Amino acid sequence: AQTVTQSQPEMSVQEAETVTLSCTYDTSESDYYLFWYKQPPSRQMILVIRQEAYKQQNATENRFSVNFQKAAKSFSLKISDSQLGDAAMYFCASRFGNEKLTFGTGTRLTIIP
Amino acid sequence: NAGVTQTPKFQVLKTGQSMTLQCAQDMNHEYMSWYRQDPGMGLRLIHYSVGAGITDQGEVPNGYNVSRSTTEDFPLRLLSAAPSQTSVYFCASRPGPQTHGYTFGSGTRLTVV
Repeated sequence: AQTVTQSQPEMSVQEAETVTLSCTYDTSESDYYLFWYKQPPSRQMILVIRQEAYKQQNATENRFSVNFQKAAKSFSLKISDSQLGDAAMYFCASRFGNEKLTFGTGTRLTIIP
Repeated sequence: NAGVTQTPKFQVLKTGQSMTLQCAQDMNHEYMSWYRQDPGMGLRLIHYSVGAGITDQGEVPNGYNVSRSTTEDFPLRLLSAAPSQTSVYFCASRPGPQTHGYTFGSGTRLTVV
């Protein structure tokens, strides 16, 4: 079975500090894509960052970066210089060779002023 | 450019009623999908389409029908609503097979009483 696991239901971080959200997955596919989505209270699903499994270089988007460890099947999200607007649910997701996005159960991130 | 538009944003149905959730995109995206989000869970795929006239089942298709007569529209029909279908429904799209970022609509919160 192809699964995505987020083991941290809630995380908190002081404003301007750095936080890392964890995600692990399980698949036998060799070609797949990994994503982090942000869901603020508005309910909108916003793509934060994505990583192609065949790329060794970790993806970076401004203050957001990933640590992709393919052998360990790990895909963590690092948020640097946390801002109040980063408060949201964060979902790790993957597309394992078909059209289905498989989601983790989410991590609720709180930013402490 | 409106992106992915879902209507309505909120709906209350009585058990046994039928209704259609609308999804339209103006980005000429080839691929479109419907997901449901339940508390404590990630999103789960209901149905998807890889082009006009082509649809397929996802992870949780029972009780739902879809059709794709145009590239722009991908409606989701509830045939006979049940309380278990109380959920938030998201429509998503991506340009085509060589692109991997999904754009989501803002969701429809459906309550079946």
